[in-house]
Amino acid sequence: GESVGLHLPTLSVQEGDNSIINCAYSNSASDYFIWYKQESGKGPQFIIDIRSNMDKRQGQRVTVLLNKTVKHLSLQIAATQPGDSAVYFCAERGGSQGNLIFGKGTKLSVKP
Amino acid sequence: DGGITQSPKYLFRKEGQNVTLSCEQNLNHDAMYWYRQDPGQGLRLIYYSQIVNDFQKGDIAEGYSVSREKKESFPLTVTSAQKNPTAFYLCASSITPFYGYTFGSGTRLTVV
Repeated sequence: GESVGLHLPTLSVQEGDNSIINCAYSNSASDYFIWYKQESGKGPQFIIDIRSNMDKRQGQRVTVLLNKTVKHLSLQIAATQPGDSAVYFCAERGGSQGNLIFGKGTKLSVKP
Repeated sequence: DGGITQSPKYLFRKEGQNVTLSCEQNLNHDAMYWYRQDPGQGLRLIYYSQIVNDFQKGDIAEGYSVSREKKESFPLTVTSAQKNPTAFYLCASSITPFYGYTFGSGTRLTVV
């Protein structure tokens, strides 16, 4: 498959542990944030989003936290499973005309 | 099922050739995007279109061209002017530019 994970920050966790993936965003005026998951050779898939008027949002096994003071976004995955192994991207809506700006990504590896 | 389809999955280009990557969506989305992905880097915006018959350059438009003659279709041509075209190309769409994106499964372009 495509080598989208080369030279990326890597997080290695044990199956069943919780994972925390961090992202620093660039534009203090960004008002919408998304986390995407990308498996090797595939396109990114939407995981969860959050608007700037919120600090926390929960989904199924995932939680996104937003700290606007330090421009920091995190994705928490509970009870990490081997199927969670992928590259995770954060994106902020702060580009011209509302376009999303993507971070470089973090590679999550889950050890059985 | 609604979705966004990219073809072909793999494409090989000889030096000096133009090649066209297809992107079709049946989600009735207004906005469509082309991104380039290289190992260790985030997604970089090539071109985007918010309505039919209109498109805008992204951050790395040089050596690429697009058209948006139909709402459903947003083909990308990689011209011979693009000196380093080997990459993974992702097409995306959104209801409006102010919502999250749905991605296709990508096209891997290799220069031979």
